[in-house]
Amino acid sequence: EVQVMESGGGLVQPGRSLRLSCTTSGFTFGDYAMSWVRQPPGKGLEWVGFIRSKTYGGAAEYAASVQGRFTISRDDSKSIAYLQMSSLKIEDTAFYYCIRTSRGSSWREYSFDYWGQGTLVTVSS
Amino acid sequence: DIQMTQSPSSLSASVGDRVTITCRASQNISKYLNWFQHKPGKAPNLLIYTGSNLQGGVPSRFSGSGSGTDFTLTISTLQPEDFAFYYCQHTYDVPWSFGQGTKVEIK
Repeated sequence: EVQVMESGGGLVQPGRSLRLSCTTSGFTFGDYAMSWVRQPPGKGLEWVGFIRSKTYGGAAEYAASVQGRFTISRDDSKSIAYLQMSSLKIEDTAFYYCIRTSRGSSWREYSFDYWGQGTLVTVSS
Repeated sequence: DIQMTQSPSSLSASVGDRVTITCRASQNISKYLNWFQHKPGKAPNLLIYTGSNLQGGVPSRFSGSGSGTDFTLTISTLQPEDFAFYYCQHTYDVPWSFGQGTKVEIK
């Protein structure tokens, strides 16, 4: 059974850093991209970024709102993905979801097929 | 960047109704459009990928169509468990983005 679980959320002051972990099981982690999506309270879903599998280069891509402040990484030996968040802003307050991301036959073809339950990050002084 | 616009933002429907939600991209995204269902307090669930492919385990009353800039999610016969938020999302090029969501409520 595929399982995806986020951890590391909590209350953090503006300007500080926080690292989220995404622990997975039930599939060959190294074969998949991994994505992060967030949902601010009362708002819709916002794509944060994703990291490709090493088969496809392993590079990460980010939304403009987090570019330069957030870093996605992966440890294939542990089946864990990370979201390192720095210079946090109040507007980064949200539930953060980690998602197994399947690639299709084209480099444009990706789908978010298994989601974690999310972890809440609250940025407040 | 590609903008995704869903309509309507919300709708009220009865069990048994046929429901259609549309998603428009600000430029051609070919077939690279996914649909999700999201219930409060739960993880979102993939319904349709690459425009029209039904994700495994998703009931056949859900279907997706469209290509280019205009896409549709249809629920053929609305069931009580289908009252939720629905989002479209493109993966044509980074940055990927979601539509603003459609809330399907009970009439």
